[in-house]
Amino acid sequence: AQSVTQLGSHVSVSEGALVLLRCNYSSSVPPYLFWYVQYPNQGLQLLLKYTSAATLVKGINGFEAEFKKSETSFHLTKPSAHMSDAAEYFCAVSRTGTASKLTFGTGTRLQVTL
Amino acid sequence: SAVISQKPSRDICQRGTSLTIQCQVDSQVTMMFWYRQQPGQSLTLIATANQGSEATYESGFVIDKFPISRPNLTFSTLTVSNMSPEDSSIYLCSVEVQGSDTEAFFGQGTRLTVV
Repeated sequence: AQSVTQLGSHVSVSEGALVLLRCNYSSSVPPYLFWYVQYPNQGLQLLLKYTSAATLVKGINGFEAEFKKSETSFHLTKPSAHMSDAAEYFCAVSRTGTASKLTFGTGTRLQVTL
Repeated sequence: SAVISQKPSRDICQRGTSLTIQCQVDSQVTMMFWYRQQPGQSLTLIATANQGSEATYESGFVIDKFPISRPNLTFSTLTVSNMSPEDSSIYLCSVEVQGSDTEAFFGQGTRLTVV
C-alpha cells in the first residue's frame, strides 16, 4: 500500500527565507508523487509531480522537490518565501501509477511572516 | 487541462436530509473521483465515478450513504444521504484528463455543514 507522511502540520517562515516542507513516502512500487497547494476557500492546485523521470522536479511559483529513494523522501522547497505562499500544502502518492486514486498526507500549513 | 465546476459551493443542511453535489467538466474525461476533506484533515478518496456503471467505493464508504451517478463523460453527482453532523466536510470532485494521465484536476469543492 502507498502512503505519505508529512512532518509538521504548521510551518512558519519569514518572508525571503527558505521554505522546506517535508514528505516521506511508503510504496511497494515505484511511486508517482505530487505536491498540491490549497489556498483558503479554493480547490487544490498542482505544484509539481514526480513520475520516475528526473529526480529534481521544478514546479510552479518557484517551488521544487527532490525525489530521494534512499531516504524515501520528496521534500518541497523554495529558496525565498513570499507572503503569497501562505497556504496549505499536501503531498500525495498515486496508487495506480497515474494521477488516479491519490493518497494524501495530512497537510502542512505554511505561514509567512514579515 | 480541465475546468471543473461544482455546485453548490456551500450549503447548510438539516440532519437527516440529503444533498446532491454536481460536478461539471468542460471536456470529456476518462476518470472522475470524489474526495472528502473533513475539518482540519486531509483528503480521502470516497469513490471512482464510472461512466455507465456503478461507482467503485473505497473502504469505509458505501453506496447507500454516498450514491454517485455519472451519466456521461463530463458530469457526475455525489449525494450525501441521511446526513449527520459528522458529514460536515468539503467534498471535492477530481478528474484525470486523457492524454495527461499524471495530473489530476480538482474542483473548488462543496463546503457542507450539517446542523
